[in-house]
Amino acid sequence: LAKTTQPISMDSYEGQEVNITCSHNNIATNDYITWYQQFPSQGPRFIIQGYKTKVTNEVASLFIPADRKSSTLSLPRVSLSDTAVYYCLVGALSSASKIIFGSGTRLSIRP
Amino acid sequence: GAVVSQHPSWVICKSGTSVKIECRSLDFQATTMFWYRQFPKQSLMLMATSNEGSKATYEQGVEKDKFLINHASLTLSTLTVTSAHPEDSSFYICSALLTTGTGNEQYFGPGTRLTVT
Repeated sequence: LAKTTQPISMDSYEGQEVNITCSHNNIATNDYITWYQQFPSQGPRFIIQGYKTKVTNEVASLFIPADRKSSTLSLPRVSLSDTAVYYCLVGALSSASKIIFGSGTRLSIRP
Repeated sequence: GAVVSQHPSWVICKSGTSVKIECRSLDFQATTMFWYRQFPKQSLMLMATSNEGSKATYEQGVEKDKFLINHASLTLSTLTVTSAHPEDSSFYICSALLTTGTGNEQYFGPGTRLTVT
């Protein structure tokens, strides 16, 4: 299982773009990168998933460089409701592989 | 998207009693489910992997006789905390694995807050 490293915390303001970077130096060939969001006293919620280059959905973008040793979650124009903990996870999708959570990034959005 | 539910959402029990938490995949079948525990301000810690029709696989340091897991059907896994003590008070989260044509996707339940008095 690839280990991930993220900043412990980040602060930003409403309307700004927020980029959270995750390092995963020993990512395996079959591994995908998945980001989850968690609010207090709730289960994690899927945000976005990718393998390489760029993935975009209605809530976020995920940038993955060619070497795949890192990835960046981009949240456009954040609001107060985006205050949460964000987890970057790496694992294969081809088997029932368990997900090991790292420490996550606690994002705080200010007015 | 796929939905996973947990019941109860919160429970308070006395020390020494047992508590059962249910995890259900509502609109898909899940051969594999996972149980996590989360303490305040900490990340999720994987406790065990629950496989339908077979024994659960526990992570190192998790007592299998204390945290009983039963995965009797493709939509239900249960976690029973036996002889609960205050140190077992935590937020318990389950997840279910949805197998698609391209691989597996993991969906999480809303969590169960356990308080042992």
